[in-house]
Amino acid sequence: NAGVMQNPRHLVRRRGQEARLRCSPMKGHSHVYWYRQLPEEGLKFMVYLQKENIIDESGMPKERFSAEFPKEGPSILRIQQVVRGDSAAYFCASSPQTGDNTIYFGEGSWLTVV
Amino acid sequence: DQQVKQNSPSLSVQEGRISILNCDYTNSMFDYFLWYKKYPAEGPTFLISISSIKDKNEDGRFTVFLNKSAKHLSLHIVPSQPGDSAVYFCAASAGSNDYKLSFGAGTTVTVRA
Repeated sequence: NAGVMQNPRHLVRRRGQEARLRCSPMKGHSHVYWYRQLPEEGLKFMVYLQKENIIDESGMPKERFSAEFPKEGPSILRIQQVVRGDSAAYFCASSPQTGDNTIYFGEGSWLTVV
Repeated sequence: DQQVKQNSPSLSVQEGRISILNCDYTNSMFDYFLWYKKYPAEGPTFLISISSIKDKNEDGRFTVFLNKSAKHLSLHIVPSQPGDSAVYFCAASAGSNDYKLSFGAGTTVTVRA
């Protein structure tokens, strides 16, 4: 998973605040994915983005969550008005293209809502 | 709906012996399967994969077996080493949605010296 950079690694937010998680894909990768891992569960797909485009957001909660991957800069996962149930590890992954079949994960951002 | 299941949450094995991790899936559209290894506070690291056109793939100490009729795959690690102690996730994808991996809940492997 070397190369996919996520920050912050740990984030603590009070209920109602906003959380912003950033992800820079591996060099040469133009496809970014966000996954979430709740305690005691496997990773679950949230969203797939390419530069300036959301390709598939079928795993995103309908409210409070949004993602972007601007032309310049990292991809950002934004959670508004956080609740305790948002506490989880959020993993970003990247790949050079679809059809590659293997995506490479970053080290994750751990969100704790108090 | 849990489409990928790892029914053993944990496995303890003696160093030097074989570790066998099992994974079952329900979605017949899955045609590509991966195993990821994860250490605490780190992201998953790709380990090995197998396409549905094969029934076995080997890479060093790691071998993955696929039984399509049973919708079952397994990961064999032999010989097991202390550095193999980690959580192992089975994942699957289908066709053009190969980025949308469905993960199992993971199996924690502990290799005893």
